[in-house]
Amino acid sequence: GQQLNQSPQSMFIQEGEDVSMNCTSSSIFNTWLWYKQDPGEGPVLLIALYKAGELTSNGRLTAQFGITRKDSFLNISASIPSDVGIYFCAGHLGAQKLVFGQGTRLTINP
Amino acid sequence: DAGVIQSPRHEVTEMGQEVTLRCKPISGHNSLFWYRQTMMRGLELLIYFNNNVPIDDSGMPEDRFSAKMPNASFSTLKIQPSEPRDSAVYFCASSPPPPHGQGETQYFGPGTRLLVL
Repeated sequence: GQQLNQSPQSMFIQEGEDVSMNCTSSSIFNTWLWYKQDPGEGPVLLIALYKAGELTSNGRLTAQFGITRKDSFLNISASIPSDVGIYFCAGHLGAQKLVFGQGTRLTINP
Repeated sequence: DAGVIQSPRHEVTEMGQEVTLRCKPISGHNSLFWYRQTMMRGLELLIYFNNNVPIDDSGMPEDRFSAKMPNASFSTLKIQPSEPRDSAVYFCASSPPPPHGQGETQYFGPGTRLLVL
């Protein structure tokens, strides 16, 4: 089946630093999404990307849908403690099914 | 607006017992998804419904798992009999119909943490 390779698996950064993570796939997706999961909660949708090349921002978050439709990245600028959590990319091909990456665990040192 | 509601939030049971997980999707959403999350396998789609009809149950592990959606505002995931390897967090998610989406913008509930002893 389709697989998403998300990297890095974990990040340890200082508060105020910028963060970058990405997802790649051997398959083409029509939509890329980024979710964040806090401990003990369900994933929360951060950004959805619908067109190849699309660059979308949501506050300090910026995500792009790769031109080849096989990759996407998420950047977080000026990280703050509440950014801690696990970030998941997800690809949507059709038939309402999402394929999720393995997640990037973000830890921030104050 | 209320998000996806799941109950119970935590469930501890003994092997062999029946477990029923419940989900109330966001009002107006017409697609409902059941996922399982474990450290080893990540987020796995078990089954999803569109307009209360099961569309794809290829992710359901085995016959011990069953899901129903009797109406637009309620769904259950049942495990009978439960086994220790079923221990995981089970999420329900819902998504709105077009033009607001085609199933890709899924909104997750808080999950049910299941521990089978």
